[in-house]
Amino acid sequence: AQSVAQPEDQVNVAEGNPLTVKCTYSVSGNPYLFWYVQYPNRGLQFLLKYITGDNLVKGSYGFEAEFNKSQTSFHLKKPSALVSDSALYFCAVRSSSGNTNAGKSTFGDGTTLTVKP
Amino acid sequence: NAGVTQTPKFQVLKTGQSMTLQCAQDMNHEYMSWYRQDPGMGLRLIHYSVGAGITDQGEVPNGYNVSRSTTEDFPLRLLSAAPSQTSVYFCASRAGTVGPYEQYFGPGTRLTVT
Repeated sequence: AQSVAQPEDQVNVAEGNPLTVKCTYSVSGNPYLFWYVQYPNRGLQFLLKYITGDNLVKGSYGFEAEFNKSQTSFHLKKPSALVSDSALYFCAVRSSSGNTNAGKSTFGDGTTLTVKP
Repeated sequence: NAGVTQTPKFQVLKTGQSMTLQCAQDMNHEYMSWYRQDPGMGLRLIHYSVGAGITDQGEVPNGYNVSRSTTEDFPLRLLSAAPSQTSVYFCASRAGTVGPYEQYFGPGTRLTVT
């Protein structure tokens, strides 16, 4: 069974500092990995995804994520945090192997990022 | 494009009542799904559809039915509401079942069952 772990419920950083939101996963075959952001009372919005190839993926709003196959991790990063980055962040995984698991995505429980001025 | 739309935005039901949560997308997406979001539990898949006329269960299907008569619409029916179904419900779509497609989410329906 595929799974996603986001080990931190909450991450607090000061504005201007780098931020990291952690994600580890388990999936059969090669993964497709995704990060989504949710602002209060809104639906989830896509940030970035890993498909294959370059281990560093760049996405929206200056976010990037680093894929590490040996550690089965896909940590979300940003070099300089903004107060407006404060939100709930979800990591998700899906197998790239054809119709494995019927194409279902598995989401982590989410990490609340708070950026303080 | 409107993307993924959901109605209603808020709903209060009494235990035992039934209702339908509407979801529509205008992107000609093949794959659609329903999730519920509860505090500390992330998103849990209720039902999904890989195309018109094809639906299947996710991890928490009990108490819910779905149908997919058109590509655009994917309604979720609560058969007999229970307080445990108090949650925020999100509909999502993506271009295909196979392939690295990201999901597009609707704005959500906040349901309270008393």
